[in-house]
Amino acid sequence: GAGVSQSPSNKVTEKGKDVELRCDPISGHTALYWYRQSLGQGLEFLIYFQGNSAPDKSGLPSDRFSAERTGGSVSTLTIQRTQQEDSAVYLCASSFQGRPYNSPLHFGNGTRLTVT
Amino acid sequence: AQTVTQSQPEMSVQEAETVTLSCTYDTSESDYYLFWYKQPPSRQMILVIRQEAYKQQNATENRFSVNFQKAAKSFSLKISDSQLGDAAMYFCAYRSARVSGATNKLIFGTGTLLAVQP
Repeated sequence: GAGVSQSPSNKVTEKGKDVELRCDPISGHTALYWYRQSLGQGLEFLIYFQGNSAPDKSGLPSDRFSAERTGGSVSTLTIQRTQQEDSAVYLCASSFQGRPYNSPLHFGNGTRLTVT
Repeated sequence: AQTVTQSQPEMSVQEAETVTLSCTYDTSESDYYLFWYKQPPSRQMILVIRQEAYKQQNATENRFSVNFQKAAKSFSLKISDSQLGDAAMYFCAYRSARVSGATNKLIFGTGTLLAVQP
């Protein structure tokens, strides 16, 4: 079946502009996660969705970052007034939620965001 | 808070040889899961192997195996008969098994870049 799909694959934007990154999770996966991967760094957790609600937003770096999920499926990560330090690969992952938690996260190929 | 540490930023191995990637973690929980993910240049994160903390037996998937030492909080990955296609960034990750009030997000180490020499 289809995996996690992210769009766009690459995005170049000017400093100060807003961007929207999209994630289509695997059908039936209720849990959805956004991560950020900066050059040479590990994966930094941003936000977690269970269905349409976001019980954990603790990783969002500033109020310029927001995310929503509709219909328990597609999620959009929005970055307002982009800064150069926002340049990174943004990865989305989905999984079944519920015990056992050994269910792996399935990742998309990410969106590479470059802020000039 | 849980943390994951990968102390080897880069490793190199000859084709057909064996290499071990190190990972340590810190947690006060007794029930959790550990994972190794592979990230090739395509950026796709691919699950390599997983281990349940309550299991004493080390997980094995073909050429990949782990050495899980719960008391030492160590979770190393051994790749046998290394192949050129194994070249990638490898991430160790921790996931809590708590049920209520938990995000159960994966917590990642900073990764080890593995080069395979022909």
